[in-house]
Amino acid sequence: QVQLQESGPGLVKPSQTLSLTCTVSGGSISSGGYYWSWIRQHPGKGLEWIGYIYYSGTPYYNPSLQSRLTMSLDTSENQFSLKLSSVTAADTAVYYCARYSSANRFYFFDYWGQGALVTISS
Amino acid sequence: EIVLTQSPGTLSLSPGERATLSCGASQGVSSFLAWYQQKPGQAPRVLIYGASIRATDIPDRFSGSGSGTDFTLTISRLEPEDFAVYYCQQYGNASPLTFGGGTKVEIK
Repeated sequence: QVQLQESGPGLVKPSQTLSLTCTVSGGSISSGGYYWSWIRQHPGKGLEWIGYIYYSGTPYYNPSLQSRLTMSLDTSENQFSLKLSSVTAADTAVYYCARYSSANRFYFFDYWGQGALVTISS
Repeated sequence: EIVLTQSPGTLSLSPGERATLSCGASQGVSSFLAWYQQKPGQAPRVLIYGASIRATDIPDRFSGSGSGTDFTLTISRLEPEDFAVYYCQQYGNASPLTFGGGTKVEIK
């Protein structure tokens, strides 16, 4: 059973960089065919795709956040990471990591972390 | 960017009733649409992918239909554990992946 767990600071100051790591267990992030993803949910709101990184290391970012985003893989630790720079209060949200995988040629998010609340405040 | 519009915003029903949730896409997405269920304090869970394929271990009271721009999630008979928020999600060509705004199914 694949499990994902987010970790990182729960409080970040405005203008600083938000950094989160997702640790994957029960499967290797180097396994072919998966996109390792970040999704966020503003308090009481819907879901927003942030981006994902393919098992090969190629990232794909939401254009609305692209200029501030960096995603990476650490295959030795079976982790992937998110960095979002120049944060403001509008980046306060629950951040989920998730696996984007395919079946029958369709893609969907099949495994999710429990979510990590990140608050942007001085 | 493809916008997904879900309706209604809230659906008030009793256990045992049928729930019909709609998701409309601003451009055609073929069958590249999934449905998720989210309960308070939990991560979403995939119910349907490819517009109509039930995910692993999802009860057959959940069904999805549609293609192109109009999609429906139907829960044939609501169980107490089905009261939650439901999101549709698309990944059409030349558009970032997007989610709908959600439909809350609440107990009447």
